[in-house]
Amino acid sequence: SQQGEEDPQALSIQEGENATMNCSYKTSINNLQWYRQNSGRGLVHLILIRSNEREKHSGRLRVTLDTSKKSSSLLITASRAADTASYFCATVPMEYGNKLVFGAGTILRVKS
Amino acid sequence: DTAVSQTPKYLVTQMGNDKSIKCEQNLGHDTMYWYKQDSKKFLKIMFSYNNKELIINETVPNRFSPKSPDKAHLNLHINSLELGDSAVYFCASSQIRGAGGYTFGSGTRLTVV
Repeated sequence: SQQGEEDPQALSIQEGENATMNCSYKTSINNLQWYRQNSGRGLVHLILIRSNEREKHSGRLRVTLDTSKKSSSLLITASRAADTASYFCATVPMEYGNKLVFGAGTILRVKS
Repeated sequence: DTAVSQTPKYLVTQMGNDKSIKCEQNLGHDTMYWYKQDSKKFLKIMFSYNNKELIINETVPNRFSPKSPDKAHLNLHINSLELGDSAVYFCASSQIRGAGGYTFGSGTRLTVV
């Protein structure tokens, strides 16, 4: 079964607004990663947060991790039309340290 | 230069045929993977190789056989293709097993008719 569940399934916002996507997972993890997939393309790694970290920033991206709640969020600030894509969280479960398990993804549409 | 390249990008074939998808990475990574993305966009790992050694073999029909001639290549051969095999197959690589980000290829869209 999928390790992660993402919320919302789809999100539509105006350019310039912030977008927040949430991810929950089931088992203890080594790290959690976020990926972006543009339509018809491969996945692009955005950011990785380790299980002992609580927050991480990369440009307009901010990721938080709450291991007690087994959840993470991805915030994209000042969104742009080019941010339109599917966003996936993926975990490396502690039990299986050598595979990345993906959530179902959030489809983000940024309207210009 | 493309970091992880897959060929072909599109593959349309009839049921019962045998086909192969090739993958090469020029990043010097030790670990390579095959993922399957279904029509609902779910991504599921199929296989993982570390330095030519099979380390993950998920519950995949044995019609699927990966082959890694060297650590830069991981090919996927599929025998007796079925309609349900239609999906997008992604190759990926990583430097350190599970500890770093993965680099994905652009995918191979397989359609079985």
